[in-house]
Amino acid sequence: DQQVKQNSPSLSVQEGRISILNCDYTNSMFDYFLWYKKYPAEGPTFLISISSIKDKNEDGRFTVFLNKSAKHLSLHIVPSQPGDSAVYFCAASVRYYNAGNMLTFGGGTRLMVKP
Amino acid sequence: KAGVTQTPRYLIKTRGQQVTLSCSPISGHRSVSWYQQTPGQGLQFLFEYFSETQRNKGNFPGRFSGRQFSNSRSEMNVSTLELGDSALYLCASSLELAGGRSTGELFFGEGSRLTVL
Repeated sequence: DQQVKQNSPSLSVQEGRISILNCDYTNSMFDYFLWYKKYPAEGPTFLISISSIKDKNEDGRFTVFLNKSAKHLSLHIVPSQPGDSAVYFCAASVRYYNAGNMLTFGGGTRLMVKP
Repeated sequence: KAGVTQTPRYLIKTRGQQVTLSCSPISGHRSVSWYQQTPGQGLQFLFEYFSETQRNKGNFPGRFSGRQFSNSRSEMNVSTLELGDSALYLCASSLELAGGRSTGELFFGEGSRLTVL
């Protein structure tokens, strides 16, 4: 049972436009959500996160939105740049005391930003 | 500061052999996790170690094991290798906040790519 799903395996966007990557989850216990970016032959790199007590978090060109009632989050990249072309993973965790750091990942979305 | 270091980066083994992968976390990080990435299954959690103790375990067979040393370095071992074990094995470290609460953010190494023939 996939607890975190990214239903779009790929997304193609023109440079300068907005990229919107979506993620759905089923486990109501998740209280922290993260986005990671991965280039080929490299490990994932942390991009941005959001706690379940918030509905939006912004960091430069990247904004994550959380809709808890719909169990849905999205990552907006504005404006998109060719260097943003990578695979983006959505991840979720439960952060209560001493629970550890187990992240549940979605399957990833390959973003291609065309010049 | 230095990131998460994994060795070896690439290795080829044959079915039935065993393999040991090593991970050095970021200095000061005491939590080390291991993930397996395959094209079909994505990133799957293997296990997490904290202060030399396994704190969480994913849904993998007992052929997959790990340990953590007093300096927080970690190793994972896969015995009796199968073709399906071919994957990128990623190690990640994390900082624990005071009171045992996790930051929730993992810092990944570049991975060890294992090919089983």
